[in-house]
Order: sequence, then structure tokens, then C-alpha cells
Amino acid sequence: KNQVEQSPQSLIILEGKNCTLQCNYTVSPFSNLRWYKQDTGRGPVSLTIMTFSENTKSNGRYTATLDADTKQSSLHITASQLSDSASYICVVSPVKIKAAGNKLTFGGGTRVLVKP
Amino acid sequence: EPEVTQTPSHQVTQMGQEVILRCVPISNHLYFYWYRQILGQKVEFLVSFYNNEISEKSEIFDDQFSVERPDGSNFTLKIRSTKLEDSAMYFCASSENSIDTGELFFGEGSRLTVL
Repeated sequence: KNQVEQSPQSLIILEGKNCTLQCNYTVSPFSNLRWYKQDTGRGPVSLTIMTFSENTKSNGRYTATLDADTKQSSLHITASQLSDSASYICVVSPVKIKAAGNKLTFGGGTRVLVKP
Repeated sequence: EPEVTQTPSHQVTQMGQEVILRCVPISNHLYFYWYRQILGQKVEFLVSFYNNEISEKSEIFDDQFSVERPDGSNFTLKIRSTKLEDSAMYFCASSENSIDTGELFFGEGSRLTVL
């Protein structure tokens, strides 16, 4: 069964510090891996999309890495800001069959709280 | 910046009532989706829609659910007879290309509370 597991479930960091979130997946073969940021009560917003051939992708202070061999990805937040407080969701898409929205497998998210 | 818009933002309804959630996807997008997220749980796929028909649906999307694109801009999710367990945040999403390559844009969600 395709699964996406994220760790930690939650973490608290001080403003200005860095943190790294982990994502392990069993989806295979996979097409791409996405990281989304979801503020409480809001819709997910895309941070990065990586195909299986990419190792790293940056979006401002967010840097995602991917190791397709070990089926692991990480999201690194640099110099955290209070506005980074949110849930971060790892989403994996398998190889396309058709317009298969159902094939997106969502992780449970990591809830990040940045404190001043 | 183009965005997916959803209405209402919050709806409270009695069990057994019909509910229609509305979405306006990004104008040049061709693929449309509904997802839901029960409080504290993972986002779950409901249905995808392409070329004016359902292309995929999940086990959750039973006969009580239906989707429609009544005109060139709106995309609606109807729940015919709501149950308590339908209480969730419902997200509409759209993409220009199919999901293996396309950026997926989510709306802000419609919170449904069934009493």
C-alpha cells in the first residue's frame, strides 16, 4: 500500500533557527514529490515539486531534498520566521495512468510552531 | 495572481440536508478536484474531473456525492443527504496539466459542519 510518513509530528523552534522535516514514502514508481505549506484552516500552498531525477529544489528559505534510492525527502527551513508556523505536508504522486488525482498520497504533515 | 475561490467559507447544516459547495477554478485550468480533510487528519482525495466528466473517484465518493460544472467557470460538489461524518474541510483544487506534471492549486476550503 502506498504510504507517506512524516516526522516529527510536531516541533517548536525559536525564531531565526533552522529546522528539517522528514518524509519517507513507499510509493513506487513515483512521478514527483511535493511539499505543501498549510496554515491552520487554510488550503495547502505548494512550496516545491521534485521529479524522481531531481535531488534538491529551493523556494526562498525552503529547500527540499530527495533521495529516490532510499525513498526519503526532507524540507529544510532556514532562518525561521513567525509566519513559518504551519503544517508542512509531503505529497507523492505515482507514475501517471490518466488524470489520476486519487493517486496523490498525502502525508499526515508536520506541525511547526515558531516562537519569538 | 490567479487563485481558486470557494464558497461558502463555512456552512452549518442539519443531518439529512443537501449541501452544495462551490468552486471557481483558475480560468485556464483543465483538471479539477475535490479533496476533504477531517479535523486533525490527512487530506483525502474525493474526485477528479476532466473534459466534463469524472475521471477518478475514491471510495468516499459514494452515491450521496455528485459534481457538476454547470457553466464555464463553476465547479460544484453536492452532498445529497449529509451525515455527521461528512463534517470536514472541503478543498477544491485545479491544475493546468495532469497531476503527474502539473502544479496543483488549492482553494481556501469550505468548512462543513453537520449537526
